Amino acid sequence: IAGITQAPTSQILAAGRRMTLRCTQDMRHNAMYWYRQDLGLGLRLIHYSNTAGTTGKGEVPDGYSVSRANTDDFPLTLASAVPSQTSVYFCASTLESGSYNEQFFGPGTRLTVL
Amino acid sequence: GEDVEQSLFLSVREGDSSVINCTYTDSSSTYLYWYKQEPGAGLQLLTYIFSNMDMKQDQRLTVLLNKKDKHLSLRIADTQTGDSAIYFCAESLRGSQGNLIFGKGTKLSVKP
Repeated sequence: IAGITQAPTSQILAAGRRMTLRCTQDMRHNAMYWYRQDLGLGLRLIHYSNTAGTTGKGEVPDGYSVSRANTDDFPLTLASAVPSQTSVYFCASTLESGSYNEQFFGPGTRLTVL
Repeated sequence: GEDVEQSLFLSVREGDSSVINCTYTDSSSTYLYWYKQEPGAGLQLLTYIFSNMDMKQDQRLTVLLNKKDKHLSLRIADTQTGDSAIYFCAESLRGSQGNLIFGKGTKLSVKP
């Protein structure tokens, strides 16, 4: 793989179910991010990780959890999905968190919660 | 608090110049960015400007920064149909660990 990948591409999920969105990068980037994109609201940061072993909360963390066991992977888990979590989810990464922050984005996961 | 605002839509004719505007509220911005999102894809960095610069030019793209008014603009010369996309303005703040604050995005439509 080259760059940043996400899986699945899309998913329809029943409310109350648990779901993990996967994100993997092969650029040896230290910092990784999860965003959700909703019409009229732009991108909102859910969680981030500045380096393996550490995570932080973004603007809209409720209902989501993340882990960063290694440099390459940054999964996002919805413990019990609700319809308001219907969105397009983007994972991103950057070499180092800092003042200059060019983020590289994955292709996105379109999630529908019914 | 931090806020980045953009108009939601812009429509231009092919060959014309496009100007996408953005305002931000936090004067501690260090870098300001323009990202482009094509349909069905993630965002890609288009260009950026450091906060101590007034202007940056890169081929058809010109970024202007007015720090006094906290206003950022992106001008695309000779706009092509392939420029149709959503353009996001973003800022990174000093001390924010590099997290970006994104605007809601401006959808640019280019008519032939």
